Amino acid sequence: EDKVVQSPLSLVVHEGDTVTLNCSYEVTNFRSLLWYKQEKKAPTFLFMLTSSGIEKKSGRLSSILDKKELSSILNITATQTGDSAIYLCAVGQKSSGDKLTFGTGTRLAVRP
Amino acid sequence: EPEVTQTPSHQVTQMGQEVILRCVPISNHLYFYWYRQILGQKVEFLVSFYNNEISEKSEIFDDQFSVERPDGSNFTLKIRSTKLEDSAMYFCASSVLAGGPGEQFFGPGTRLTVL
Repeated sequence: EDKVVQSPLSLVVHEGDTVTLNCSYEVTNFRSLLWYKQEKKAPTFLFMLTSSGIEKKSGRLSSILDKKELSSILNITATQTGDSAIYLCAVGQKSSGDKLTFGTGTRLAVRP
Repeated sequence: EPEVTQTPSHQVTQMGQEVILRCVPISNHLYFYWYRQILGQKVEFLVSFYNNEISEKSEIFDDQFSVERPDGSNFTLKIRSTKLEDSAMYFCASSVLAGGPGEQFFGPGTRLTVL
């Protein structure tokens, strides 16, 4: 059975802290790993990592894919209260339908 | 910036009734998806749709569910006879690349409540 596991389940930090969120996966025919931020409703796309693009950075957020360890991390530096959200990891597979398999998410709370 | 839109934002229905959830994907996108998220649980894949036919569907997507692209812009999910356990947030997503690792962009969701 395909599996995506995220840790920790929840995290509370103070503004300015750096956080690292983890995602590990066991899926058949891995194609890509995606990170999303979910605040109130829809998951908002952050990064997509593939064999040809294992490291991405955007402002204070960065992510690395470790294909050997079947895992990825999402780093957020100098956290702000606006970073408070659920961060979702999803894995895309080489299937006919390009479905994504999601983890349960990490709930991040950034206190002022 | 183009975005996926969904209507209605909240739908309340009685068990056994039919519901149609509507989505307008991003205009140049080719792949369309439906996912659902039961309160407090993971986002789950339901179905993907490309070139006017279903590409893949999950075990959840049984005979009670159907999808359609009735015109060039809308993408709908129909649940024929709703059950209490269909209560969930339903997300539509779209992706531009066919057969490749395209990013999927999600709509704001429709919260379906079955009474």
